[in-house]
Amino acid sequence: QVQLEESGGGVVQPGRSLRLSCVASGFTFSSHVMHWVRQAPGKGLEWVALIWYDGSDKYYADSVKGRFTISRDSSKNTLYLQMNSLRAEDTAVYYCARDVSDAGPFDPWGQGTLVTVSS
Amino acid sequence: SALTQPRSVSGSPGQSVTISCTGTSSDVDGYDFVSWYQQHPGKVPKLLIYDVSQRPSGVPARFSGSKSGNTASLTISGLRTEDEADYYCCSYAGSGYVFGTGTKVTVL
Repeated sequence: QVQLEESGGGVVQPGRSLRLSCVASGFTFSSHVMHWVRQAPGKGLEWVALIWYDGSDKYYADSVKGRFTISRDSSKNTLYLQMNSLRAEDTAVYYCARDVSDAGPFDPWGQGTLVTVSS
Repeated sequence: SALTQPRSVSGSPGQSVTISCTGTSSDVDGYDFVSWYQQHPGKVPKLLIYDVSQRPSGVPARFSGSKSGNTASLTISGLRTEDEADYYCCSYAGSGYVFGTGTKVTVL
């Protein structure tokens, strides 16, 4: 079945970097736009970034633009999120999600990985 | 900016509740790509509605979606105890996406 599994979360100091990974299985990874969505503790969902099928187009939320980079490796069926210059407000569970048909919706979602930015 | 949803709505089992999701001409009113997600505490969001009113296979027919201008709506008919959860709308916004602020549905 279609599955997404994130990894790479943890505790990191403000200003440092972290890279998240999301391994996809059960579908043709290179045929889907992919997304990162995050959820701060006790808060709502926030779309973070998307990457086109071949990585040619990428879009970011204003809150992470210039600090985060989304990428993908179709040979490994893996989506990445490189997070630099991390701030306390980046603390959240980060989900990867598959785009069903280019303009959403997001389905399925991975189980999420928690990133905590704290000194 | 996040789409606006009521903080909470409630209803008794068997009743209907409607959650609104208000955006702008740059998102909800600009595209027919509104989706809705259900999230139980500690769980992963689950897709309920896509393209304003389409239901994925496996989602009960008592969940329905609609849109008028810059406001989308999710209606839950025949409310059940297992429907108690948080609900989020989401809209395509041209070069990205925007989620709603979230609504907690309480079954009385």
